[in-house]
Amino acid sequence: DTEVTQTPKHLVMGMTNKKSLKCEQHMGHRAMYWYKQKAKKPPELMFVYSYEKLSINESVPSRFSPECPNSSLLNLHLHALQPEDSALYLCASSQVGGPEAFFGQGTRLTVV
Amino acid sequence: GENVEQHPSTLSVQEGDSAVIKCTYSDSASNYFPWYKQELGKRPQLIIDIRSNVGEKKDQRIAVTLNKTAKHFSLHITETQPEDSAVYFCAASKRVYKYIFGTGTRLKVLA
Repeated sequence: DTEVTQTPKHLVMGMTNKKSLKCEQHMGHRAMYWYKQKAKKPPELMFVYSYEKLSINESVPSRFSPECPNSSLLNLHLHALQPEDSALYLCASSQVGGPEAFFGQGTRLTVV
Repeated sequence: GENVEQHPSTLSVQEGDSAVIKCTYSDSASNYFPWYKQELGKRPQLIIDIRSNVGEKKDQRIAVTLNKTAKHFSLHITETQPEDSAVYFCAASKRVYKYIFGTGTRLKVLA
């Protein structure tokens, strides 16, 4: 299995809602990432988990809360988002220490 | 700070011609350089990568070259096909887990 699977594919949420994005991989990768991508821009790193511990937080606002419940799963909890948070949210994984990152297909988030 | 410049931002080529995309990085400690292809509405896919101890790498119609002295690396696509049309991102990394992405090149292959 060489896939990184993200759910849902699309999400529309109001500014007062709470929702979660989910990511799953079964490649045995112990590093998992969240990226945000706006239209026509490169992916921007948000968070990195290594061995289920948060190792990088790129000064992301607290309305985004990551969670890594086990080595295969990565969640991103969303609360009180703003319309400017609308973007494609990409999950990725890699081997620890191995630089090749594999991306999921993303969740397209629209905040209304 | 760390920076990766990518040129051109858009590139149109006739089917069968070659395409070249160039990136320049600022941090001489960078040691890993992947290239990603992203079709509209889809995920970025790793298409080729190179490490700093190698000057060139090929995979069928795709090649990447690295000039560490000049801090340049380039993607070469030969015999382009319509399905090569996509946005291509270069990236540089000196630190495990952290890529600095270029701004992307929209490649259009005209049939």
